[in-house]
Amino acid sequence: NAGVTQTPKFQVLKTGQSMTLQCAQDMNHEYMSWYRQDPGMGLRLIHYSVGAGITDQGEVPNGYNVSRSTTEDFPLRLLSAAPSQTSVYFCASRFEINQPQHFGDGTRLSIL
Amino acid sequence: GENVEQHPSTLSVQEGDSAVIKCTYSDSASNYFPWYKQELGKRPQLIIDIRSNVGEKKDQRIAVTLNKTAKHFSLHITETQPEDSAVYFCAATTGNQFYFGTGTSLTVIP
Repeated sequence: NAGVTQTPKFQVLKTGQSMTLQCAQDMNHEYMSWYRQDPGMGLRLIHYSVGAGITDQGEVPNGYNVSRSTTEDFPLRLLSAAPSQTSVYFCASRFEINQPQHFGDGTRLSIL
Repeated sequence: GENVEQHPSTLSVQEGDSAVIKCTYSDSASNYFPWYKQELGKRPQLIIDIRSNVGEKKDQRIAVTLNKTAKHFSLHITETQPEDSAVYFCAATTGNQFYFGTGTSLTVIP
């Protein structure tokens, strides 16, 4: 199993551009989440999904959209990139509630 | 929502000494508490977890304790080694959402 795969690993965008961060898992996990990690602030939840077709907002959802059309994939869309969205983004999945999360390797995103 | 506080933010210990990291949470409904280790430039990786029906759990040199009444839980690392140097995060969840502490940067001095 590959686990949780994120692409791309690095990306530089200009302010106002849009892009999609990809996340895929091959563990048949129902629960998937997107986090951003900023220095000194830990991991903050952006959006999460409890199964295909079901998504909900986390702590910091503004400026981001998600969809979950399949169990395997959970893409994160930046609608109009802003410098404040410069961060490291992690996707995570788990089998069910109160089970350990498995993280991808992250996407390092810089907005100029 | 839940609020998780983690202390200290940085910790330096001599090799062979013990390290303790403490977290508090606000939501008494939280029932699962994982700890993650993150090395520089890498993904967070689970090192140990505890559920609310257990007071203590141990795995070799690592242990976690949970005090539900006081709403705090702690990570204990004994006989520290240089490879234990990393950032450690605690987290709490009631189910769908995980709330993370701000991290503790542990340095083990050889």
